[in-house]
Amino acid sequence: QSALTQPPSASGSPGQSVTISCTGTSSDVGGYNFVSWYQQHPGKAPKLMIYEVNKRPSGVPDRFSASKSGNTASLTVSGLQAEHEADYYCSSYAGSNNLVVFGGGTKLTVL
Amino acid sequence: QVQLQESGPGLVKPSQTLSLTCTVSGGSISSGGYYWSWIRQHPGKGLEWIGYIYYSGNTYYNPSLKSRVIISLDTSKNQFSLKLSSVTAADTAVYYCARDRVGPVGGFDIWGQGTMVTVSS
Repeated sequence: QSALTQPPSASGSPGQSVTISCTGTSSDVGGYNFVSWYQQHPGKAPKLMIYEVNKRPSGVPDRFSASKSGNTASLTVSGLQAEHEADYYCSSYAGSNNLVVFGGGTKLTVL
Repeated sequence: QVQLQESGPGLVKPSQTLSLTCTVSGGSISSGGYYWSWIRQHPGKGLEWIGYIYYSGNTYYNPSLKSRVIISLDTSKNQFSLKLSSVTAADTAVYYCARDRVGPVGGFDIWGQGTMVTVSS
């Protein structure tokens, strides 16, 4: 059982937007602005898409955006394309005893 | 650009120690103040953080694995390593090494390709 809760699946048609949630507690997501999001295609390593709640690394398109409210963080993918079909994971800093926790992942399907 | 590459046995017997090495290329492991990490992914499952090591040698471990994990650094070889003792089938997973861009807070910006480790007799 993962520390952060994500919906197992999400879907959308090409061109649409989809939002994936990541729910934690005040000890992780709600307590710090260190939420990250990763994209993972089958058989590949995860790729950092968002860090520190809403910052994009160089090279990540602005169709990927993210936010946080209370204990829930969200990732929005706009203008869905076939290449966006992948698993998405959130992570959060969780304090000095258990530094990093991950969500269970969400499989995004582009219909 | 910095690249990471995991190496080590793909098969480990139960009760033995799993040993993996991550070789860092394109940059020095001891510069930049980065945190280096091991993360694993059970087959068909999500990601699990194992631990961090800082270039100074300070380490931080997942409490659920802390009693069995040692992460160490070899700056002369630009490598860091993972040792996980007393393994069982539950330790079968793809093991990734990764760099935290800010750390140790979970923003892993560079990953190795991952190495599958199976625990079986």
